Formats: sequence, C-alpha cells, structure tokens
Amino acid sequence: EAGVAQSPRYKIIEKRQSVAFWCNPISGHATLYWYQQILGQGPKLLIQFQNNGVVDDSQLPKDRFSAERLKGVDSTLKIQPAKLEDSAVYLCASSLGQGAQDEQFFGPGTRLTVL
Amino acid sequence: AQSVSQHNHHVILSEAASLELGCNYSYGGTVNLFWYVQYPGQHLQLLLKYFSGDPLVKGIKGFEAEFIKSKFSFNLRKPSVQWSDTAEYFCAVRHSGNTGKLIFGQGTTLQVKP
Repeated sequence: EAGVAQSPRYKIIEKRQSVAFWCNPISGHATLYWYQQILGQGPKLLIQFQNNGVVDDSQLPKDRFSAERLKGVDSTLKIQPAKLEDSAVYLCASSLGQGAQDEQFFGPGTRLTVL
Repeated sequence: AQSVSQHNHHVILSEAASLELGCNYSYGGTVNLFWYVQYPGQHLQLLLKYFSGDPLVKGIKGFEAEFIKSKFSFNLRKPSVQWSDTAEYFCAVRHSGNTGKLIFGQGTTLQVKP
C-alpha cells in the first residue's frame, strides 16, 4: 500500500515570497491533516479536512496560510507571504476517518527554510 | 491550555540498557494516548496506543507503555535497547470524542551507543 506522498521534500525561499506544498493521502482516507513541526518541537496541527470540508483550522494563521482539498483527495497548503518563523517541516497525515481507532499515517514532510 | 510534556529531551544509552521516557499530559477528561517514533530519514510512525482497558500496552519492537490516570502519565519503556532504536520519540494525546486532532509533546531524541 502506497503511503502519504508529499512534495517538494525541501524548499528554500526568501521572506515575503510565497510557497505551496502538495499532499496526496493514502487512497480511501477521508481525513487529511497538515501539521507544522518547528525544530525542537512536536508537530502542531494547522488544519484538518474531512473529505473536502474543513473540520479544524483553529491554529492556522489565516492571514498568510491557506489550504484546500477541492476534490476530497489531494491537498495543497500555501503560505503567502512567508516569514522567517515559518521555517519548519510541514507534515501531511491521513486517516480513514476521525474515529478514535483511525490511525494517522504521516508523510515524509516538506522542510521549508525561509531566509 | 491542553499540553503534553516530555521530560527528557535527549537521552544517551548503551546497548542492552533499559529505557524509560516520561510523558505527562494536562487534561482531565478521557483521552487516547500514543507514542510515535521517527527513525533517521523516515516518517513518523505509530509505536503503540492506548484507548481503554489494560493500562499496560505493548507495541512494536518490544516497546511498552503504562497509562497511570492519577498521574496523567503515559511513560514508554523498553527493557533492553538496541542500536536500531536510535530515533526521536513523540508522545501524543487525543481527547476522546475529539475530531482526531493529536497534541504532541516536544519529542525525545534517543541515541543508543553500540
């Protein structure tokens, strides 16, 4: 079974530039998550989708971050404009559903460096 | 605010030593508890989980964890570590009935010397 795919794996940009990350979840997984992991910290949830609807975006900095999952499969996370403090690994995860027994499977992440 | 605290940031052990990594959470309700592991160059993967029942849970590769409700703790243990256990370990909590959101601790880097 193919895992969660993410691209690019690495990205270096200047502050105030924009950047987009892509995630392809495991086939059949209805729930998709984007986490931000700053160096030395654990992952922090940015946004959660159930199919193509947003379940939780309470910790998404909406003035600069946006995400979509238009067809309920792939998802894109965008940052515009980027700040130095956005340097982090952005992890995508997916699960069959939102139930307690639904394990979250993580992708390899995209490492973003903002200069 | 709800939080998860891992006491050890960096642990160095020799092979065959015993391991215990501490994890405490701050939430009074019913929780689901997890330990994830990230081996060098690999994805985060689930090591073990607790939902209900026996508070001593066993995971992959000889790891186990004990849920102590009165102490809000879920410590990870392994009797004898191997060099291949070198990795970063994350404790995570999900509030039962929640939408699936995981709250992670800051992680513990384990280095096992051969």
